[in-house]
Amino acid sequence: QVQLVESGGGVVQPGRSLRLSCAASGFTFSSYGMHWVRQAPGKGLEWVAVISYDGSNKYYADSVKGRFTISRDNSKNTLYLQMNSLRAEDTAVYYCAKPLLYCSGGSCYSPPDAFDIWGQGTMVTVSS
Amino acid sequence: DIQMTQSPSSLSASVGDRVTITCRASQSISSYLNWYQQKPGKAPKLLIYAASSLQSGVPSRFSGSGSGTDFTLTISSLQPEDFATYYCQQSYSTPHNTFGPGTKVDIK
Repeated sequence: QVQLVESGGGVVQPGRSLRLSCAASGFTFSSYGMHWVRQAPGKGLEWVAVISYDGSNKYYADSVKGRFTISRDNSKNTLYLQMNSLRAEDTAVYYCAKPLLYCSGGSCYSPPDAFDIWGQGTMVTVSS
Repeated sequence: DIQMTQSPSSLSASVGDRVTITCRASQSISSYLNWYQQKPGKAPKLLIYAASSLQSGVPSRFSGSGSGTDFTLTISSLQPEDFATYYCQQSYSTPHNTFGPGTKVDIK
């Protein structure tokens, strides 16, 4: 079945780095732009970054721009998030998410940023 | 940046109740509005996309409406499994989408 599985979270000191991974299965990973979304403890959802299907385009939330890098390896069906210069406010559960592709009558449509598949999340704690 | 607000922030309801949650955008977002349900410790689940389109597999008691700046999510008859937190999300400024603060629905 369609599945996303994140890994790589943990406890890290402020200023250090961490790399998250998201392993995809059950769909043609290389055909989809992919996103990272995070959720601080007890808080709401915050979009973090997106990468195009071929890795040629990347966009970031202002809160992580210049510190985080999204990448992908389509040969391994894996999405990554390299997080540098981590801050306490980066503490959150990090989810990878796949956008919906709706197909009917031979044509397909992808509503912008409607995420139909999410991973289980990986917790990142930034603390000294 | 487009700001999203939701009301109420929380509500208490009984099984069988009709529940309405409102989401407002700080500027017109046409119909670029999605709704998610999240249960504790779980990932969000897409319920409604493009303001009113029901995601496959989601029960028909869920419906969405609105356009421009004002949107609603309605649960026609609340079921025990519907107690959760609900988030709206604007995708007008894709990819810089933003979520509302959430509405927690709990048992009265």
